[in-house]
Amino acid sequence: DIVMTQSPDSLSVSLGERATISCKSSQSVLYRSNNKNYLAWYQQRPGQPPKLLIYWASTRESGVPDRFSGSGSGTDFTLTISSLQAEDVAVYYCQQYINTLSITFGQGTRLEIK
Amino acid sequence: QVQLVESGGGVVQPGRSLRLSCVASGFTFSSFGMHWVRQAPGKGLEWAAGIERDGTNENYADSVKGRFTISRDNSKNTLYLQMNSLRPEDTAVYYCARDHVSVGYCFQHWGQGTLVTVSS
Repeated sequence: DIVMTQSPDSLSVSLGERATISCKSSQSVLYRSNNKNYLAWYQQRPGQPPKLLIYWASTRESGVPDRFSGSGSGTDFTLTISSLQAEDVAVYYCQQYINTLSITFGQGTRLEIK
Repeated sequence: QVQLVESGGGVVQPGRSLRLSCVASGFTFSSFGMHWVRQAPGKGLEWAAGIERDGTNENYADSVKGRFTISRDNSKNTLYLQMNSLRPEDTAVYYCARDHVSVGYCFQHWGQGTLVTVSS
């Protein structure tokens, strides 16, 4: 299985400031034949199901605010929130989908307001 | 709009069985792969099982392989999860999730979830 490891486990950021979450995979999720990274990011607000934010490591899902961005390739990825808003308080998960026999998520990063 | 509504959760004793259902609406059900993703209380997300749009291919997490069976009835727009030999560690909210319109195994839409509690 591909192990996804996020850091930090929790994060406190002031409103309007930048938040950065890291995700590392134990194997590359880059598929060389199409040069795509099979990596997604989700947001889960308290009491809600997860919501897809980013796929292909950097493609923003329709309707997701442009303050959310994804970057990285191979085994190292980052989710950045450029200017934290109150509604961004949530747990964030990365997920690999290159190995469809065993889809795996990171352990989650809890984001709070400082 | 896309709706996924899970049902069938509840309290069940260890070793017993339970079947979850997910009724889909707002899209052509037979055109999308579907999945079950679970979340133990206070814990992270764990993909449990997935099935391709025509039901010909199923995949399972090692933790449920041999005990759980995912299936679908495209004529009823319904996804199922048959859970046998349940264990306390299967206690979780079970979410039904749909593939992204252009990316398989990336979960674009989610239901609200149904809680399964395995306890004596």
